[in-house]
Amino acid sequence: KAGVTQTPRYLIKTRGQQVTLSCSPISGHRSVSWYQQTPGQGLQFLFEYFSETQRNKGNFPGRFSGRQFSNSRSEMNVSTLELGDSALYLCASSLGGLENIQYFGAGTRLSVL
Amino acid sequence: DQQVKQNSPSLSVQEGRISILNCDYTNSMFDYFLWYKKYPAEGPTFLISISSIKDKNEDGRFTVFLNKSAKHLSLHIVPSQPGDSAVYFCAAGGSNYKLTFGKGTLLTVNP
Repeated sequence: KAGVTQTPRYLIKTRGQQVTLSCSPISGHRSVSWYQQTPGQGLQFLFEYFSETQRNKGNFPGRFSGRQFSNSRSEMNVSTLELGDSALYLCASSLGGLENIQYFGAGTRLSVL
Repeated sequence: DQQVKQNSPSLSVQEGRISILNCDYTNSMFDYFLWYKKYPAEGPTFLISISSIKDKNEDGRFTVFLNKSAKHLSLHIVPSQPGDSAVYFCAAGGSNYKLTFGKGTLLTVNP
């Protein structure tokens, strides 16, 4: 069974631009969560989607948005990029129930110059 | 407000000895807890989990202990191997489908 796939693996953008990251979950998984990892901050929760609906959202500004498609694939968009958005963005998928294990992709490394 | 804390940024142990990684939490509403291991340039890999109704879960060399009254959990790795060297994250989940992570502990296992 294929794991969680995130594309692209690396991105370089400049301030003010926007970016879209993609995540393909494990087959059969209906929940996709997104996290931001920065040095010294651990993993910060962005949002979670289940069956195309956002079920939960973290404390990030509205510049961060996401969506999920009917095949459970998900995209995350960041508009008006800031230098502080440079981070590793991780996607995780699960079956979607309570106490389900989340399985992570390798992440997208975003650098904002 | 950091609800999940890993107070040791790093830990160094000798190969073959026990590694004990600790995690504290403040939110009594957490229902389950997980440990993940992360190598550089890779995503976190799930190791082991424990429900709040249990106090111990074991899987091979890995054992997680949960002390609800102290709001504390620990991961024991016995025996430690050089390939265990990685960053270990503690995470907690509740009824809102999201995981709250600690900041991680870098484990180094010396040959």
